[in-house]
Amino acid sequence: DIQMTQSPSTLSASVGDRVTITCRASQSINSWLAWYQQKPGKAPKLLIYDASSLQSGVPSRFSGSGSGTEFTLTISKLQPDDFATYYCQQYNSYQWTFGQGTKVEIK
Amino acid sequence: QVQLVESGGGVVQPGRSLRLSCAASGFTFSSFGMHWVRQAPGKGLESVTFMSYDGANKYYADSVKGRFTISRDTSTNTLFLQMNSLRAEDTAVYYCARRQPMDVWGKGTTVTVSS
Repeated sequence: DIQMTQSPSTLSASVGDRVTITCRASQSINSWLAWYQQKPGKAPKLLIYDASSLQSGVPSRFSGSGSGTEFTLTISKLQPDDFATYYCQQYNSYQWTFGQGTKVEIK
Repeated sequence: QVQLVESGGGVVQPGRSLRLSCAASGFTFSSFGMHWVRQAPGKGLESVTFMSYDGANKYYADSVKGRFTISRDTSTNTLFLQMNSLRAEDTAVYYCARRQPMDVWGKGTTVTVSS
């Protein structure tokens, strides 16, 4: 299986900060990567697909980049609604795998 | 609107079976592949199984292979997950999700395996 490793596991930030989360794949996944946001007690929400395409309805402060094995999710100006856990997920192979998650906390 | 609603969760003893359902509405169910994804308490997301739009292809995580079966009924727009030989480590919230990437999710149903 392709392993997905996110860093950091926890991130403390303030409203207005620029935030970057990294996701590394154990082998090349081309651009077959998605990012999800999950709040406590809620289902995940798709933010980014194909590494850099913004899902409809998602604010433009979210952006994704990367290809191959290294990817980033950037939130340009953190908003109160953005405090949540973020997961990357690869869909290069039929053994879909998620990263372990990055919790974005209020500083 | 586009919606997925899971049901069928509950408390079950180890070794027993449970069948989850996911009712789809607001889109052409027969045109989309569907996933089951689970999340153990306090843990991350795990892809459990996937079925292609036409039912021709099914994929399972190693952790459930031989115990879980995914199926769908296009006449009722419902996705199913038959879970047999349940173990304590199957305790989780189970979500159904549409296609890949997973653009629509249900709210989940909780399965607790405990004696």
